[in-house]
Amino acid sequence: QLVLTQSPSASASLGASVRLTCTLNSAHSSYTIAWHQQQPEKGPRFLIKLNSDGSHTKADGIPDRFSGSSSGAERYLTISSLQSEDEADYYCQTWGTDIHVFGPGTKVTIL
Amino acid sequence: EVQLVESGGGLVKPGGSLRLSCAASGFSFVTYGMFWVRQAPGKGLEWVSSISSTGGYIYYADPVKGRFTISRDNAKNSLSLHMDRLTAEDTGVYYCARGMGAYNDAFDVWGQGTMVTVSS
Repeated sequence: QLVLTQSPSASASLGASVRLTCTLNSAHSSYTIAWHQQQPEKGPRFLIKLNSDGSHTKADGIPDRFSGSSSGAERYLTISSLQSEDEADYYCQTWGTDIHVFGPGTKVTIL
Repeated sequence: EVQLVESGGGLVKPGGSLRLSCAASGFSFVTYGMFWVRQAPGKGLEWVSSISSTGGYIYYADPVKGRFTISRDNAKNSLSLHMDRLTAEDTGVYYCARGMGAYNDAFDVWGQGTMVTVSS
């Protein structure tokens, strides 16, 4: 069974950095994931597609402040120089042949 | 501009039916797999259904299997979701999304969503 785990919340001060983690279950530790941002009262927005080797594809228009990296079964999204508009829910997504799975999401709060 | 616009949401009684549509523009619709994702009030994202670029591969999440039907009209750049035997658990915002390839892949374009409320 394909499962993604995320911490429910993260917080950091304006201008600081925060790293979000998405963990794949061990049987699917090499899978590619995607990160999506959902600002309050808005639809999701694709940020980055992240492979197990750390290579990635970013969405057009996504600031360089957003970056992705990988280590084993963990996939990271790092947001640098946090701005107020970064306060949002962040979801990771992965997929198999006949299924898509989302993580439960991490709510990022700007202190 | 690449765009997805959903429509068709509304209030429906338990046991009723509803058909959602998604109009695509700004890209070659026939090239991409398409998806429906929903979000219950205050909850996270839940994948609902997938259809490959030519419609040859279709998949459903277990909670909707046998009740929902996804389809696409590549000539009209349109995606649909027909929902039958609706229950309160189907309430939420329904988003259509584009995949990055012809089959299963990351979702790289999202619509703004359409609200479905199942209530008596």
